[in-house]
Amino acid sequence: GAVVSQHPSRVICKSGTSVKIECRSLDFQATTMFWYRQFPKKSLMLMATSNEGSKATYEQGVEKDKFLINHASLTLSTLTVTSAHPEDSSFYICSAPGMETYNEQFFGPGTRLTVL
Amino acid sequence: SQQGEEDPQALSIQEGENATMNCSYKTSINNLQWYRQNSGRGLVHLILIRSNEREKHSGRLRVTLDTSKKSSSLLITASRAADTASYFCATEANDYKLSFGAGTTVTVRA
Repeated sequence: GAVVSQHPSRVICKSGTSVKIECRSLDFQATTMFWYRQFPKKSLMLMATSNEGSKATYEQGVEKDKFLINHASLTLSTLTVTSAHPEDSSFYICSAPGMETYNEQFFGPGTRLTVL
Repeated sequence: SQQGEEDPQALSIQEGENATMNCSYKTSINNLQWYRQNSGRGLVHLILIRSNEREKHSGRLRVTLDTSKKSSSLLITASRAADTASYFCATEANDYKLSFGAGTTVTVRA
């Protein structure tokens, strides 16, 4: 099956710094990727849709200047958490629809962000 | 926005028993999907059921969908310790965006 990777898997940063998270589709191309965040023992909340070659679309309540998304190529989307604060600490997960079965999404392993 | 609600929130069963969890949603959907998540990991797609389907099987998994009641159920038969995980339903209405339920944490005791 299709594989999506994320890097880093864990990151700890100081308040006020920016953190970049990468999401890569390893063996398929993804013109669209999705970014979610998940709080402990909670569900996934869709943050934004990353579109290759165009601007990301953000869900209601998600600050686009806070969470910068760049879909640089058909296999890479990045999420940058700018001026991170402790409340941004969360588990961030990306996904990409499969090429043949577009309804089935392939999820990355997630990135645990801790802001001190 | 999150539209799925799942119950129970947590389920503990003995190995070999069946596990059943339910999902309810609020708006019209194209399909409903079930995913599994091991602690601190990404999600794995289990099964997709389209809005015009009522039941679907995959191995030890059985999913039902009742669009009139806006609900779905996931049955795992003959559970194994390795089935211990959180299970999420997700509905897709359009644009391939998924709206996830709160999840059911399943613990299978050996």
